[in-house]
Amino acid sequence: AQSVTQLGSHVSVSEGALVLLRCNYSSSVPPYLFWYVQYPNQGLQLLLKYTSAATLVKGINGFEAEFKKSETSFHLTKPSAHMSDAAEYFCAVTSNTGNQFYFGTGTSLTVIP
Amino acid sequence: KAGVTQTPRYLIKTRGQQVTLSCSPISGHRSVSWYQQTPGQGLQFLFEYFSETQRNKGNFPGRFSGRQFSNSRSEMNVSTLELGDSALYLCASSSGYTDSSGANVLTFGAGSRLTVL
Repeated sequence: AQSVTQLGSHVSVSEGALVLLRCNYSSSVPPYLFWYVQYPNQGLQLLLKYTSAATLVKGINGFEAEFKKSETSFHLTKPSAHMSDAAEYFCAVTSNTGNQFYFGTGTSLTVIP
Repeated sequence: KAGVTQTPRYLIKTRGQQVTLSCSPISGHRSVSWYQQTPGQGLQFLFEYFSETQRNKGNFPGRFSGRQFSNSRSEMNVSTLELGDSALYLCASSSGYTDSSGANVLTFGAGSRLTVL
């Protein structure tokens, strides 16, 4: 069965610093992988998705993620953190049929001014 | 186009009561999924409906049920509420099929925050 593990439930970075949020997946077949962001009192919003077209995926708000099969990882990065990036971030993988999503436990990002 | 609409946004119930939450998906979407979000457990999958049929189900007790109507709107019901049912309930819609990239993408509503006293 598919699953994802997010390392670090809380990450703090200074404004302007590199953001790195970690996600490792477990899948018996090539997966579809996603990053979602949740702002306070809101639902989840799609940041980016990996669909095997390219290993480096660019998303909204300057985020990108790199698929590394050898490391079974799909870490999310942003070169320079902004205060507005403070939110909860979720990594997800879909089932073989693509109909069921498995979410990580989330990483709360704090940006320090 | 309009997004996913969940009602009510906030509600308070007492133990033993039952609650019904509603979700209107994006127009044209035939799949609706429900998730329970709590601080300790993250997002837990409840069930997914596609064309009025439950297609996938998570590991929740039978007190949690759902249905989908012919217009793709969905409701979920929780009976005999317990304190532990306090959570944010998220609905997500999708076409139910893979898109041109091969992926199925979920679009979430803002959620219904249930507090059980």
